[in-house]
Amino acid sequence: QVQLQESGPGLVKPSETLSLTCAVSGGAISSSTYYWGWIRQPPEKGLEWIGTIYYTGSTNYNPSLKSRVSISVDTSNNQFSLRLSSVTAADTALYYCARRGGCYGGRCYSSDWFDPWGQGILVTVTS
Amino acid sequence: QSVLTQPPSVSGTPGQRVTISCTGTSSGIGAGYDVHWYQQLPGTAPKLLIYGNNNRPSGVPDRFSGSKSGTSASLAITGLQAEDEADYYCQSSDSSLSGSVFGGGTRLTVL
Repeated sequence: QVQLQESGPGLVKPSETLSLTCAVSGGAISSSTYYWGWIRQPPEKGLEWIGTIYYTGSTNYNPSLKSRVSISVDTSNNQFSLRLSSVTAADTALYYCARRGGCYGGRCYSSDWFDPWGQGILVTVTS
Repeated sequence: QSVLTQPPSVSGTPGQRVTISCTGTSSGIGAGYDVHWYQQLPGTAPKLLIYGNNNRPSGVPDRFSGSKSGTSASLAITGLQAEDEADYYCQSSDSSLSGSVFGGGTRLTVL
């Protein structure tokens, strides 16, 4: 069973770069079936999709964050990473990594879903 | 403001049936994109509840069901239980954003 685990600093200073890593276990990140994504949740707010990466390195980002976001993949260590630059207090959130897929039982759907999710890591932007 | 619109809150008593709506756009749900639902229990990560509009992953009780029509989707919970008290999110894709979109979330309170 695939499991994901986020890691990284819990505190980041304003204007600096947030860096997180998601370790994948129980399955290969280089599977052709899945993408890998980052989602965040500010305190007491809803979920926001940040971006997604395929094992080849192909990425897709939320337009609202695109100028500050970079997601990379490390297939040799079965992990992928998030970098968010020029952070402000508005970037304080729980950051989740998740596997994204859109096929099950021989059928593929027109939009993908996220399953499973990591437990999340709280990142606070503060001086 | 989310591309997918959900009511902020719904409530019901044990045993009751409740529904949560998710209204999208013509470039999203209305364009034929499938809708998925997540349950987030307090202090935990979201868990996939419904995929592909109306399919339950293994282990999800059949009290939970989903539907989609036009530019909207709905999650129904029958035989409401105290353990169902959680936040529920819909998710789909939107061609105007070229990516995934989430609803703003609905807090279900079991009275």
